[in-house]
Amino acid sequence: AQSVTQLDSQVPVFEEAPVELRCNYSSSVSVYLFWYVQYPNQGLQLLLKYLSGSTLVKGINGFEAEFNKSQTSFHLRKPSVHISDTAEYFCAVSSSNQAGTALIFGKGTTLSVSS
Amino acid sequence: ETGVTQTPRHLVMGMTNKKSLKCEQHLGHNAMYWYKQSAKKPLELMFVYSLEERVENNSVPSRFSPECPNSSHLFLHLHTLQPEDSALYLCASSQTRQGGLGYTFGSGTRLTVV
Repeated sequence: AQSVTQLDSQVPVFEEAPVELRCNYSSSVSVYLFWYVQYPNQGLQLLLKYLSGSTLVKGINGFEAEFNKSQTSFHLRKPSVHISDTAEYFCAVSSSNQAGTALIFGKGTTLSVSS
Repeated sequence: ETGVTQTPRHLVMGMTNKKSLKCEQHLGHNAMYWYKQSAKKPLELMFVYSLEERVENNSVPSRFSPECPNSSHLFLHLHTLQPEDSALYLCASSQTRQGGLGYTFGSGTRLTVV
């Protein structure tokens, strides 16, 4: 079975500062990894995903994440945040084998960007 | 814009009522999901349907009853709910059950049980 731990429940940051949201996962098999964003009163939107290949994945809105297999991590980064990036961010994992599993989500990290 | 539509957006119901949540996708996806999102808790997977067959049911109380009449529609029938069932209920779809291409989520139904 897989599990996801998002290490920070809240991350406050000033506008134009860099940010890193941390995610660690646990799995006995190969995995797919995802980051989703949720704005208030909306569903989840896919930011980026790692399926295979290059460990540095670029997504929408200037976000990127790096898959580190040895540390079982998939941290999300953005070099310069905007007020509009204020939202809830979820890391998720699923197994990549043929049987497949539904996505398992972390508890989320609230990113608050202030001016 | 989301390709998954959920109705209603908000629902208030009493503990003795019966209501249904609806989810519709026209993305050609073959798998659909119900998740429950409560404050301060991870998203909880409730049900998974693949090609209209239920393939997962994660110990959800029987007061929640899913229905998938075709690959484009998913319902969640509710009856005799409890106040702790108040939450945001999210529907999602994916091309295949493996979900490797990610899920598309609806905007959710905010349910309040009084």
